[in-house]
Amino acid sequence: ETGVTQSPTHLIKTRGQQVTLRCSSQSGHNTVSWYQQALGQGPQFIFQYYREEENGRGNFPPRFSGLQFPNYSSELNVNALELDDSALYLCASSLDRYSYEQYFGPGTRLTVT
Amino acid sequence: DAKTTQPPSMDCAEGRAANLPCNHSTISGNEYVYWYRQIHSQGPQYIIHGLKNNETNEMASLIITEDRKSSTLILPHATLRDTAVYYCIVRVVTGYSTLTFGKGTMLLVSP
Repeated sequence: ETGVTQSPTHLIKTRGQQVTLRCSSQSGHNTVSWYQQALGQGPQFIFQYYREEENGRGNFPPRFSGLQFPNYSSELNVNALELDDSALYLCASSLDRYSYEQYFGPGTRLTVT
Repeated sequence: DAKTTQPPSMDCAEGRAANLPCNHSTISGNEYVYWYRQIHSQGPQYIIHGLKNNETNEMASLIITEDRKSSTLILPHATLRDTAVYYCIVRVVTGYSTLTFGKGTMLLVSP
C-alpha cells in the first residue's frame, strides 16, 4: 500500500508568480484536504475535495484553488504569490469526507522571494 | 468547535511513560477528541481518537475524564522517536472533516 506522496519537495518562486503543487492520495481514499503550515504554527485548513468537487473551504482567498482527478490525485494552485504564502503545504487523504483519520504527505516547502 | 489548551512543551525520559494533557472545558456532547503528532520535517500523523470511553491502540492510550472536559494521551514507553509536536483536536463530525490545529505540545524524549 502506497502512502500519500507530494511533489515537489521544495520550490522557490518569485512574488506574483503562480505555482502548482501535486498530491497522490493513499490507495482507496476518495477525499483529499490541503493545509498550509507557517513556521512555528500548526497546519491551517485550506480546502477539501471529495469525489472531484470542493467539499469545504477554510479562510483562504480565491487565488488558492484546487483540483481533484478521477484517480483521486490532487493539485493545489496558488496565483499571484505573496511573500506570506511561504510555508509548508500539506495534503492529507482520507477514506471519505467524514473521516478525521487523515493520512498526511511529507509536504512541499514553498519559498516566495 | 471547542477550544483546546495544551502545555507548550514537556520532557520525558526514554522508557518512561509520557502523559500529555489537554483541556477542552467547552466540549459538547457530540464532539470527539483527536490526537495527532508531527515529527520534525514530516506531515502530521494520526494517533488516536475517542468520544467518551478510554481508548487504546498500538501507539497510545487516550484517557477522557468523566465530564469530558479534559483528556490525557499516554505513550506507555516513550522512545527517542516519539519526540514530536502533539496536537489535541476537538471536532464534531460535520459535512466535511477539517482538522483545526493549535500550537500543540512539543514533547522532547531524552536518553
